[in-house]
Amino acid sequence: EVQLVESGGALVQPGRSLRLSCAASGFRLEDFAMHWVRQVPGKSLEWVAGITWNSATIYYGDSVQGRFTVSRDNAKNSLFLQLSSLTTEDTAFYFCARRQDVFQGGALDSWGQGALVTVSS
Amino acid sequence: AIQMTQSPSSLSASVGDRVTITCRASQGISNDLGWYQQKPGKAPKLLIYAASHLQSGVPSRFSGSGSGTEFTLTISSLQPEDFATYYCLQDSDYPWTFGQGTKVESK
Repeated sequence: EVQLVESGGALVQPGRSLRLSCAASGFRLEDFAMHWVRQVPGKSLEWVAGITWNSATIYYGDSVQGRFTVSRDNAKNSLFLQLSSLTTEDTAFYFCARRQDVFQGGALDSWGQGALVTVSS
Repeated sequence: AIQMTQSPSSLSASVGDRVTITCRASQGISNDLGWYQQKPGKAPKLLIYAASHLQSGVPSRFSGSGSGTEFTLTISSLQPEDFATYYCLQDSDYPWTFGQGTKVESK
């Protein structure tokens, strides 16, 4: 069974940093591009970042570019999101998601349950 | 960035109703669009990929259509478990962008 489990969510002060992890099981992480999506409670979804299977190409959303860094360790079946210079507007649930092979559609076919990041003084 | 305009933002429907949700892209995205269902407190779930392909395990009452800039998600006969919020996501060009969501509520 494909499973993605996020961890690392916490209450953090503005300006501080935080690292989220996403543990993958039930499939070979190295076979898939992975993405992060966030959602302010009660609001719409926002795409945050994506990373190719070999980390060769990484993309970021405009609101996090230069502050967030996505990385992966395929040997450890893990995906990471480093959040820096946090502001209250970064308060959200953060989901990791697996991307289908682009030749099979390229959508996000499996999702974690989400990790809550709360930025507050 | 490509803007995705989703409508309506909410709708009220009854079990058995046919429901249609639309997403419009600010520029052509071929068929690079997915539809997702989200229930409160849960992660989104993929329903439709590549605009019209039903994800494995998703009931056939869900269907998608469109290409270019206009896309539609249709639920042919609404079931009790379908009351949820639905989102479109364009995966054609970075940054990817979601529609604002459509909340399907019970009439």
